[in-house]
Amino acid sequence: GEDVEQSLFLSVREGDSSVINCTYTDSSSTYLYWYKQEPGAGLQLLTYIFSNMDMKQDQRLTVLLNKKDKHLSLRIADTQTGDSAIYFCAETPGYSSASKIIFGSGTRLSIRP
Amino acid sequence: DTAVSQTPKYLVTQMGNDKSIKCEQNLGHDTMYWYKQDSKKFLKIMFSYNNKELIINETVPNRFSPKSPDKAHLNLHINSLELGDSAVYFCASSQDLGQRNTEAFFGQGTRLTVV
Repeated sequence: GEDVEQSLFLSVREGDSSVINCTYTDSSSTYLYWYKQEPGAGLQLLTYIFSNMDMKQDQRLTVLLNKKDKHLSLRIADTQTGDSAIYFCAETPGYSSASKIIFGSGTRLSIRP
Repeated sequence: DTAVSQTPKYLVTQMGNDKSIKCEQNLGHDTMYWYKQDSKKFLKIMFSYNNKELIINETVPNRFSPKSPDKAHLNLHINSLELGDSAVYFCASSQDLGQRNTEAFFGQGTRLTVV
């Protein structure tokens, strides 16, 4: 089956690092993604990782993938107020064509001063 | 230019009515989707079309009928609207490349409220 799970809320202090976690069930997932949704807006792709990678870094963003535990995390360094949003973990199931992206429930990140 | 555009942005209508939401993408993508986001922000795929053909239909009631006149458009028609249909509906598109990365581009969403 296909299931992607995340915690619903995370609150961090401005300037600290945020770590958003995600678990998934489909071991044949090919690509895993992090999308960001700001209030009243659509989703925007932040970063992605191919399933044969362990880590990917892109400026303030670090994605870690533990394929054995089916665990994905997104670390945002030096969190700013503009990072307040909902972050969705997503996967492309390996059993089907790439015409399907399964999303987690989203983690609402709030920044406190 | 907006990559994926949906209209209308807001739609308030009475139970039992029929309504349509339109979506257009100017990215030249082969695949288009409709997603439903409920009040808890859960995002569920409803339909996926590839080159005007239906690929995925995720057990959506048949009151929902997608129509793809060409690969740049995927419209969503909803018959006999119910209170539970209230949600934000997102259109998206991607260039399907088999096993390669599939970045989906999303529209701004259509907030449907059924009263």
